[in-house]
Amino acid sequence: SFVLTQPPSVSVAPGQTAKITCGGNNIGSKSVHWYQQKAGQAPILVIHYDSDRPSGIPERFSGSNSENTATLTISRVEAGDEADYYCQVWDSISDPVIFGGGTKVTVL
Amino acid sequence: QITLRESGPALVKPTQTLTLTCTFSGFSLSSSGLGVGWIRQPPGKALEFLALIYGDDDKRYSPSLKHRVTITKDASKNQVALTMTNMDPVDTATYYCSTVVDKYVDDWGQGTLVTVSS
Repeated sequence: SFVLTQPPSVSVAPGQTAKITCGGNNIGSKSVHWYQQKAGQAPILVIHYDSDRPSGIPERFSGSNSENTATLTISRVEAGDEADYYCQVWDSISDPVIFGGGTKVTVL
Repeated sequence: QITLRESGPALVKPTQTLTLTCTFSGFSLSSSGLGVGWIRQPPGKALEFLALIYGDDDKRYSPSLKHRVTITKDASKNQVALTMTNMDPVDTATYYCSTVVDKYVDDWGQGTLVTVSS
C-alpha cells in the first residue's frame, strides 16, 4: 500500500516559518490533504487538494506538492499552532484513506 | 451545521465484538460523493482509517482490518455503525466518525475512547 512519511517533530520559534514534509512515491500525482490535531481534540482539515484552504483557516497555512514530497507551510507561527499535523492521500487501489505518521510541531 | 456523535461502550473485553454508532445531522448520506467513515487513533499514535460507506451502500475497508470490520448504515435514523470482532488490547483507541467528501475527511466527531481490557 502507499506509504506517507513525515518527520516526527518540527520545532519553530514564534513568528518564524514551519515547513512540514510528507514524502511518498510520486506523491505529486496525488491530491494531498492536511489536518491539524491539537492536544485532546479531534483533527480539523487545514489544507485540501494540495494547497486549498477551507473556510476559516488562516492564510498563514499553505501547501504545495511536487514529485515525491508534499509540504505544509505555516508562516508567522503562533503559539496556538502547536499541534500534530497529518498528511493524507486517497488511494483507490489499497486503503482509500491513507494517513502519514504525523508531525508534532512545537513552538519554542 | 454538520454534527457527528459517536456512541458505544467505553470498555470491552478481549475477544468480544465492538459495536459503535455514529449519529449525524446536517447532511444527507444520499448526497453524491459524500460518505461516512470511521478512523481510529491509539493513544499517542497516528490516525488509522478503518471503513467508509456511501449512500448507495458502496463500502470501503482497510485491507489490514477488512476481515474484522463491518460498516452499515440506517439512513432513516441518520446513523452509521461499525462492528469490529475479536477485540484485542492493541485495539484500544479513540474511534472517530467522520464525513468523507470526494477524497478527504471533512467533518469529525469528537471521538470515543474504547479500552480493551479484561
